[in-house]
Amino acid sequence: DTAVSQTPKYLVTQMGNDKSIKCEQNLGHDTMYWYKQDSKKFLKIMFSYNNKELIINETVPNRFSPKSPDKAHLNLHINSLELGDSAVYFCASSQDRKALYGYTFGSGTRLTVV
Amino acid sequence: AQSVTQLDSQVPVFEEAPVELRCNYSSSVSVYLFWYVQYPNQGLQLLLKYLSGSTLVKGINGFEAEFNKSQTSFHLRKPSVHISDTAEYFCAVSEMDSSYKLIFGSGTRLLVRP
Repeated sequence: DTAVSQTPKYLVTQMGNDKSIKCEQNLGHDTMYWYKQDSKKFLKIMFSYNNKELIINETVPNRFSPKSPDKAHLNLHINSLELGDSAVYFCASSQDRKALYGYTFGSGTRLTVV
Repeated sequence: AQSVTQLDSQVPVFEEAPVELRCNYSSSVSVYLFWYVQYPNQGLQLLLKYLSGSTLVKGINGFEAEFNKSQTSFHLRKPSVHISDTAEYFCAVSEMDSSYKLIFGSGTRLLVRP
């Protein structure tokens, strides 16, 4: 049983397209996150939702829009994709916003914009 | 705002040798501290965490870390490494404020050689 699952695992698309990445967790956690990992392995938080409410919204272009239909799902939609959006995107979840037990990460979505 | 510094981008070591991966942080409030490991093409996995209490914490796979408040450090150690420990290691800090945002260091690649 996969705890945090992301789809797709790989995504290759052309500049200017719109794409979505989906994330689902079956851990019963309240809080979910999107992180971006660049080519130098640096991880940066993008968004966080707690029980469907947006609680962290970092300095991310407006082309990125998260959506949480329920607390088990957090999707990421990206409009007008640019070359610089190429990265690995990780979804994660935690029991609550304090995350004292740490985060559980998905296996990542490798986005390549050509 | 907090920051996390991992001074060593890569640490090569021979199998069965001891290793220390360094992590320093800066924050104006109390923090929680974490170490995560990322194996190739996988998500991050929690190794260990420090929340409070004993400054020496033990984690999975024989790793341990020591919290030093005066030096604002949280170095990771293992007395004898295996080839299978080859991976990227991330130190992370969460501030005990309203956001509990988890900020990652830039990562240290541990390369274990036979």
